[in-house]
Amino acid sequence: AQSVAQPEDQVNVAEGNPLTVKCTYSVSGNPYLFWYVQYPNRGLQFLLKYITGDNLVKGSYGFEAEFNKSQTSFHLKKPSALVSDSALYFCAVSTNTGGFKTIFGAGTRLFVKA
Amino acid sequence: EAGVTQSPTHLIKTRGQQATLRCSPISGHTSVYWYQQALGLGLQFLLWYDEGEERNRGNFPPRFSGRQFPNYSSELNVNALELEDSALYLCASSLATGSSGGYNEQFFGPGTRLTVL
Repeated sequence: AQSVAQPEDQVNVAEGNPLTVKCTYSVSGNPYLFWYVQYPNRGLQFLLKYITGDNLVKGSYGFEAEFNKSQTSFHLKKPSALVSDSALYFCAVSTNTGGFKTIFGAGTRLFVKA
Repeated sequence: EAGVTQSPTHLIKTRGQQATLRCSPISGHTSVYWYQQALGLGLQFLLWYDEGEERNRGNFPPRFSGRQFPNYSSELNVNALELEDSALYLCASSLATGSSGGYNEQFFGPGTRLTVL
């Protein structure tokens, strides 16, 4: 079955420290991988995507993600967290196997403490 | 550039009624997606429309249906409402997905909060 897993419901980090939000996936064929962020009372916003090429992808607001094919992971990272990064983060994979669809993870809530 | 818009913002219905939710995509986007975001369950894929056609649907019963109009706006209909249909319904749009499939990021609307009493 095709799936996306975000193993942590919540990640807590101090402001200025690096952050990592984990994501692993299981799909047939080539995955197209995405991270979205949902700020309080705002809609989901696209952060970054991996389609092909360099395994390290840079996105909005200083975020980056590393694609690891052997570990089927696509972890989101940021070198120095800000309080304003506190939000709900979703990993997603688009696949064309069995008809195109996008599968979202359950989300990870990030709390950045000042 | 206007983003994805959805109406209404909130919708309250009773069991057995029908609900209609509307979505207008970003200008130039031909693909529209519908998701259900129930509390604690993340986003569940409902439907995908492209160029007026339903291209795929998620694991939802047939009482969830919709359509896409010639101007690419879309409507989601939920018949015979049940209590568990209470959720935030999100619409997203993207540039044409095409045969290569899925590499275009989706732009989301603010959602319609459906409450079934």
